[in-house]
Formats: sequence, C-alpha cells, structure tokens
Amino acid sequence: DAGVIQSPRHEVTEMGQEVTLRCKPISGHNSLFWYRQTMMRGLELLIYFNNNVPIDDSGMPEDRFSAKMPNASFSTLKIQPSEPRDSAVYFCASSWDSRYEQYFGPGTRLTVT
Amino acid sequence: GESVGLHLPTLSVQEGDNSIINCAYSNSASDYFIWYKQESGKGPQFIIDIRSNMDKRQGQRVTVLLNKTVKHLSLQIAATQPGDSAVYFCAKREQSGGGADGLTFGKGTHLIIQP
Repeated sequence: DAGVIQSPRHEVTEMGQEVTLRCKPISGHNSLFWYRQTMMRGLELLIYFNNNVPIDDSGMPEDRFSAKMPNASFSTLKIQPSEPRDSAVYFCASSWDSRYEQYFGPGTRLTVT
Repeated sequence: GESVGLHLPTLSVQEGDNSIINCAYSNSASDYFIWYKQESGKGPQFIIDIRSNMDKRQGQRVTVLLNKTVKHLSLQIAATQPGDSAVYFCAKREQSGGGADGLTFGKGTHLIIQP
C-alpha cells in the first residue's frame, strides 16, 4: 500500500502566484481531509470530502483557498493569490469510514516569499 | 470555541522508562479520540484510538486512558525507546449524525528520550 501521496513535497513561490497542491488518497478510502500545520496554530482542518463531495469547508481561511475532488483518487487544494502568511505544511489525510482513523500523507511544505 | 489542550509542551524521559502524555478537552460531545505521533519532516502517524464508550485501550507498548468525568485523555508509552522521540498529538472528533468528520488537534507534546 503506497499510502496517501502528496505532491509537490516542497513548493516555493512568490506572493501573488497561484499554488496548487495535489493529493491521492489511499485506494478504497471514501473520505479525504486537508489540514494545515504551522508553529503558531498547530494542525487545523481546512476542508473535508466524503464520497468526493465537500462536507465542511468552514476551516478554509479565505476565498483565496479552494479545494476540489473530481474523483475518488484525486484532490487539489488551490491558493490564488498566495500570500506569505500562507506559508505552512499542508497535509492531506484519508479514511475509509468515518468510524476509523485518518491516514496522513507526508505533507507539502509551502513557502511564499 | 472547542479545543484540545496539552498540559506540557516538552517531556523528557530516560530510555527504558515509561512516559505519560496528557491531554484535556473541553467538549463532552466528543465521541472519538486519537493519538498521533509525528516525527520531524513527516506526517502524523496513527498510534491508537479510543471511543467515548471505553475507558482504556491497549496496544503494543501503548495504552490510552479516557476519563470522561474530568475530560482528560492520556497516552502511556511503556519502556520508551529512542524511536519514540517525536511530537505527540491528541485529537478528537465531535459526535455527528453521519459522514466523516475532521479532527481537532491539540498543540502537541514533544517527547524527548534521554539515553
């Protein structure tokens, strides 16, 4: 099992640029979660999908953030335009049922200069 | 708002000793609790979970205790090893009518194993 796959692992971009983070959940999992981790705020849930449908996006900080899940094996988190305060590690996690644990990917470290 | 808080940001123990990491939560509606371990540069790794209808659950070298009366959760690691050095997060999920829910994480405790 390859686990949750995220790309890129590292992203450095300039303020104002569009950033797209990608996630492939574990095959068979029907729930997908996007989290953000910073030293100041810890791990925060941004949005989650169940069966490809967004269920709760209340954690998305601003309209600059958007997420999609076009199919069961792929999701994107997009930031447009990016700002320095968006610098963080972004994690994707998946689970096969709400009653079970979530498995995290290795994360994407985003630096916005 | 709801939160999951940790009592100590850093815990240092001698290799071979037992360690206890504590966590307090504020919402009694939480029905599911998880402990994650995060090593430097990696994503959180599932350790053990417990549901609100249980008080204790054991895994390999780890035990989670849940005290719903005082809203307290703890992770006990027996005979700590150098590989146990990491940041440990407690997380909780609110009870809901269905579907998956995101987790609310504590700030994390950095466990340091002294040789």
